[in-house]
Amino acid sequence: GQNIDQPTEMTATEGAIVQINCTYQTSGFNGLFWYQQHAGEAPTFLSYNVLDGLEEKGRFSSFLSRSKGYSYLLLKELQMKDSASYLCAALDSNYQLIWGAGTKLIIKP
Amino acid sequence: GAVVSQHPSRVICKSGTSVKIECRSLDFQATTMFWYRQFPKQSLMLMATSNEGSKATYEQGVEKDKFLINHASLTLSTLTVTSAHPEDSSFYICSAREPGTVSEAFFGQGTRLTVV
Repeated sequence: GQNIDQPTEMTATEGAIVQINCTYQTSGFNGLFWYQQHAGEAPTFLSYNVLDGLEEKGRFSSFLSRSKGYSYLLLKELQMKDSASYLCAALDSNYQLIWGAGTKLIIKP
Repeated sequence: GAVVSQHPSRVICKSGTSVKIECRSLDFQATTMFWYRQFPKQSLMLMATSNEGSKATYEQGVEKDKFLINHASLTLSTLTVTSAHPEDSSFYICSAREPGTVSEAFFGQGTRLTVV
């Protein structure tokens, strides 16, 4: 079956760095997305990786290893507004998005 | 980027009544749209895949007669919660992707449904 695993909750300190991991098993693979969702709001797009390696976008970076079925989202210089849930989603061979359960990130002062 | 608009953002209805939620793709044709439900502190749960011009595909455990989906045009899908009950109170979100691409999913703003 298809499966996405990511930690349920993480806690980090303002100004620090945090890495949220995601492992996936899908029928075929056409890329991996990361989304941010604040409570009571719809998810917003953060990043898309389809090739191995690191994609950097400001304070956020996303990494993919296709051979390992593994991705991570790296958040630097954490701010209180980064407190949110982070959703990992893989695109399978049918271009269907398979969603992880999300990682709730708590930022402490 | 592409935009998906969802309406209404909040609705309160009485138990036993029906509520219609609209999802529109504003600048692309969405042959497929997705309807999700999200309970507090939980992740997105796919309810159904809405296909333009054909019947929706429902996920296991989702009652198709209770959650009516209509996708009559390439830019509009509607979800009607029929005979709503308090346990249907939830956050409903639609999304769409540009067909045949690896584009990101674009989400509507979500609808907070409260059944009293």
